[in-house]
Amino acid sequence: EVQLVESGGGVVQPGGSLRLSCAASGFTFDDYAMHWVRQAPGKGLEWVSLISGDGGWTYHADSVKGRFTISRDNSKNSLYLQMNSLRTEDTALYYCAKGRQWLVHCWGQGTLVTVSS
Amino acid sequence: EIVLTQSPGTLSLSPGERATLSCRASQSVGSNYLAWYQLKPGQAPRLLIFGASSRATGIPDRFSGSGSGTDFTLTISRLEPEDFAVYYCMQYGSTPLTFGPGTKVDIK
Repeated sequence: EVQLVESGGGVVQPGGSLRLSCAASGFTFDDYAMHWVRQAPGKGLEWVSLISGDGGWTYHADSVKGRFTISRDNSKNSLYLQMNSLRTEDTALYYCAKGRQWLVHCWGQGTLVTVSS
Repeated sequence: EIVLTQSPGTLSLSPGERATLSCRASQSVGSNYLAWYQLKPGQAPRLLIFGASSRATGIPDRFSGSGSGTDFTLTISRLEPEDFAVYYCMQYGSTPLTFGPGTKVDIK
């Protein structure tokens, strides 16, 4: 069974940094691309970032480009999202998701990030 | 960037009724890489349909997807109580990947 468990969320001031983690199990991690997707309070879903199975290529939404970096450690079956220069509009529930090619296939339960002074 | 528009914003129906949800893209979706997700409060989103018309594993056959190019439809043939939720379409044919704003299906 695929399991994706996010951690690292919390409250941070504008301009601050946070690193999210996602522990994956139940599948051969390095065979699959991985995504981060977020949902701001009362809003819809927004795709954030994508990384290939070997970590060789990444894509980021324009809204986070230059501030967020997706990465992975295949030896630890873990996915990360380094978030710098955080803004209030980055407040959201952040989901880690397993990809199938670029399809967002299986989702974790999410970790909440609140950017507030 | 491909912009997705979903209609209606809210659909009020009774259990047993048919639900028809629309998703329109601002330009053609490559390879019809269009997916539908169900989202309920406090739960992880669930993939229903991918490739416009293929049901994901374990999804009941009352859910069906159709369409191509720029116009796509999710149909729920007979609403069950557990189907009342918010539904999102998403295109994954080109980056940035984009979601529609969602359609809420609520109980009439």
